[in-house]
Amino acid sequence: DAGVIQSPRHEVTEMGQEVTLRCKPISGHNSLFWYRQTMMRGLELLIYFNNNVPIDDSGMPEDRFSAKMPNASFSTLKIQPSEPRDSAVYFCASRAQTAQPQHFGDGTRLSIL
Amino acid sequence: TQLLEQSPQFLSIQEGENLTVYCNSSSVFSSLQWYRQEPGEGPVLLVTVVTGGEVKKLKRLTFQFGDARKDSSLHITAAQPGDTGLYLCAGGLGGMNSGYSTLTFGKGTMLLVSP
Repeated sequence: DAGVIQSPRHEVTEMGQEVTLRCKPISGHNSLFWYRQTMMRGLELLIYFNNNVPIDDSGMPEDRFSAKMPNASFSTLKIQPSEPRDSAVYFCASRAQTAQPQHFGDGTRLSIL
Repeated sequence: TQLLEQSPQFLSIQEGENLTVYCNSSSVFSSLQWYRQEPGEGPVLLVTVVTGGEVKKLKRLTFQFGDARKDSSLHITAAQPGDTGLYLCAGGLGGMNSGYSTLTFGKGTMLLVSP
């Protein structure tokens, strides 16, 4: 079975550029989560979708960050404009139902120069 | 504010030793999960505990949820190099059967088991 698929695996870009991270959740899962992981702050929840609808975006750092889920099989996290402090590993996770575990992708390592 | 504090932050031991890592909070959680994360990969769920005082065993790993559902411990017996990784605890927020349920993660304990 295919797990959560994230792309790209690595991204290096200059500050000010737009960055788009992509996620394909496990088929049939109805919840999707975007996280950011850094040494300083650990794994932080950015936004949570249920049935393609954003439920909680209180973790999104600022207006430069936006996330969409146009359908049940695809989500994007966009940063525009990017800044060096956005450098981190970004994870996407999906979940079948509320009481079920989250399954994580292998992450996108983002470096903003 | 970090709701979940994990200790120690880093642990380096020899193969065959026993160890315990801790996850503490002043908050009550509806559930608590432990994950292991290896370099270049996402966290993988090891166990979920939901009842205060609950103990679960997974081969050489023993997980305990505190009576007040605020803390947890993970004990590994006879550690092996394959146990190396970042161990994360995560507290469940929102009822397990509610329409809203997310996780808040600790920063993790990095375990290195040398042959």
